[in-house]
Amino acid sequence: AQKVTQAQTEISVVEKEDVTLDCVYETRDTTYYLFWYKQPPSGELVFLIRRNSFDEQNEISGRYSWNFQKSTSSFNFTITASQVVDSAVYFCALKGVIQGAQKLVFGQGTRLTINP
Amino acid sequence: DTEVTQTPKHLVMGMTNKKSLKCEQHMGHRAMYWYKQKAKKPPELMFVYSYEKLSINESVPSRFSPECPNSSLLNLHLHALQPEDSALYLCASSPGSGTGRRMLNEQFFGPGTRLTVL
Repeated sequence: AQKVTQAQTEISVVEKEDVTLDCVYETRDTTYYLFWYKQPPSGELVFLIRRNSFDEQNEISGRYSWNFQKSTSSFNFTITASQVVDSAVYFCALKGVIQGAQKLVFGQGTRLTINP
Repeated sequence: DTEVTQTPKHLVMGMTNKKSLKCEQHMGHRAMYWYKQKAKKPPELMFVYSYEKLSINESVPSRFSPECPNSSLLNLHLHALQPEDSALYLCASSPGSGTGRRMLNEQFFGPGTRLTVL
């Protein structure tokens, strides 16, 4: 079964703090892809990063960084020096083949609030 | 053009109305998707079109009828909806939807249509 768990329902921090959003996944596929999406109040899902199952290198993009660990089936997302504009719901997602078709399985999302 | 557009942004309809949601992309993507998202929940896949053919229907009630007139357009026709169908309807596209290397294609989402059924 394909499953993504984001245990943190809501996180609230003060601006400039670092914050880590956890993501744990389950899959039996040997090839799979993991994604993070941001959903601001406007509703649009904004693609942040894609990582495939063969590439465990961590990635940094500005204030964003991602830690992919296959051994613990985790793909955590850290925002450094958070800003108010980072406030949004963040979804971790797993892309795999379910019943012969490629599908994106989302976690329940983490609502991040950055307070000034 | 690297965006997915959706119209209308908001829609209020009665249970006896017939309306349509429209989605458009000009990125040359060959797969398009409809998702439904209820408040405080993740998006749920409804339909997938691959090369203009319906490839996935997630057991969606027949009051939702998708249509893909061409590779850039995706419609969702609504008829006799229920109040519980009120949600944000998201459209997405990706270069492909198949297995193997095509799996690495991320989906690009539109801003959604916020639907209220009275």
